[in-house]
Amino acid sequence: AQSVTQLDSQVPVFEEAPVELRCNYSSSVSVYLFWYVQYPNQGLQLLLKYLSGSTLVESINGFEAEFNKSQTSFHLRKPSVHISDTAEYFCAVTLSEGQGFSFIFGKGTRLLVKP
Amino acid sequence: DADVTQTPRNRITKTGKRIMLECSQTKGHDRMYWYRQDPGLGLRLIYYSFDVKDINKGEISDGYSVSRQAQAKFSLSLESAIPNQTALYFCATSASRGLNQPQHFGDGTRLSIL
Repeated sequence: AQSVTQLDSQVPVFEEAPVELRCNYSSSVSVYLFWYVQYPNQGLQLLLKYLSGSTLVESINGFEAEFNKSQTSFHLRKPSVHISDTAEYFCAVTLSEGQGFSFIFGKGTRLLVKP
Repeated sequence: DADVTQTPRNRITKTGKRIMLECSQTKGHDRMYWYRQDPGLGLRLIYYSFDVKDINKGEISDGYSVSRQAQAKFSLSLESAIPNQTALYFCATSASRGLNQPQHFGDGTRLSIL
């Protein structure tokens, strides 16, 4: 079965420090990769996505993610975090399987930015 | 106004009751989804619909049913609610141009079953 693994359930970090949130997926077929962010009492919002082309994808608020096909990873990074980045982050894949489709989310990583 | 609206936002009910959660969208998307979120488990897909006449089971469809009343409306029903269906439920939509389209989420319905 396909799966998405987010290795860290919680990542505490000080403000202005760099951060990496890890995501690995298992799939033998082509996938589309996404990172979503969830703020308290809200739904998920798209942060960035990898479809094809350049393996480095950037978002408008300073996050970036790099697709590594050989390691089946799509880690999320930010060189300097802000208090407002405190949220839960979900890695997700979509793929076509046989007659149907799969939409799989990781279990989430809670980023806690401390002053 | 929100593009994806879920009602109610909160619901407390008793075991054995029939519950309906509703979702409507103004994004003009053909595809709609229902997920549940449990602490430490992430989001798991319950059902998805690619158009009004298309309904598909997701990973955890047992105990749930859905109805796609129109392009803009997709409801989730629990015929006889049980306590382990207590969770945060999300509706989402996406455009129909392949699997590379991101999903757009409502703000969720927090359901508690006593």
